[in-house]
Amino acid sequence: AQSVTQLGSHVSVSEGALVLLRCNYSSSVPPYLFWYVQYPNQGLQLLLKYTSAATLVKGINGFEAEFKKSETSFHLTKPSAHMSDAAEYFCAVVGNTGGFKTIFGAGTRLFVKA
Amino acid sequence: DTGVSQNPRHKITKRGQNVTFRCDPISEHNRLYWYRQTLGQGPEFLTYFQNEAQLEKSRLLSDRFSAERPKGSFSTLEIQRTEQGDSAMYLCASRLDGENSPLHFGNGTRLTVT
Repeated sequence: AQSVTQLGSHVSVSEGALVLLRCNYSSSVPPYLFWYVQYPNQGLQLLLKYTSAATLVKGINGFEAEFKKSETSFHLTKPSAHMSDAAEYFCAVVGNTGGFKTIFGAGTRLFVKA
Repeated sequence: DTGVSQNPRHKITKRGQNVTFRCDPISEHNRLYWYRQTLGQGPEFLTYFQNEAQLEKSRLLSDRFSAERPKGSFSTLEIQRTEQGDSAMYLCASRLDGENSPLHFGNGTRLTVT
């Protein structure tokens, strides 16, 4: 079964610093990978998705992620954190069973210090 | 695109009562998913519909839970004889066909069972 593991339930950075949120996936076939963001009391919003067209994927709000097959990783980065980036971030993989249900990691809460 | 709409946003109920939640997906999306999210966790898959057909149910979905999607439009999730362990955020999402089609989430219904 496919799964994702997010390393670190909490990450704290200073405003302007690099953001790095880690995600490793387990998949027996080329995966479809996603990052979603969730603000308090809201549903999840798509940040970006990997679809094998390119290993470096750019998303909204200046975020990007790099697919590394050799490391089975899909880490999320942003060069310079902004206060508005404080939220919970979820890495996700689409399962290869019928229905293509999306399987989520446990999430990483990002704190941004002024 | 009016987005995915969920009602109510919040529901407080006493243990043993029945509750029903509604989800209105994006109109052209034929796939609809229900997820449950507890504090500090990622969304957990409950069930999904392709048009009006319920094609998969998670083992998390006990006999007290039932979901419908009449006519392939809106969906309802009912919980009978609620228990305190049912307290969670219930998220609805919809998407187009295709493995790389992202989920579009509603803002969820937060259930508190007292």
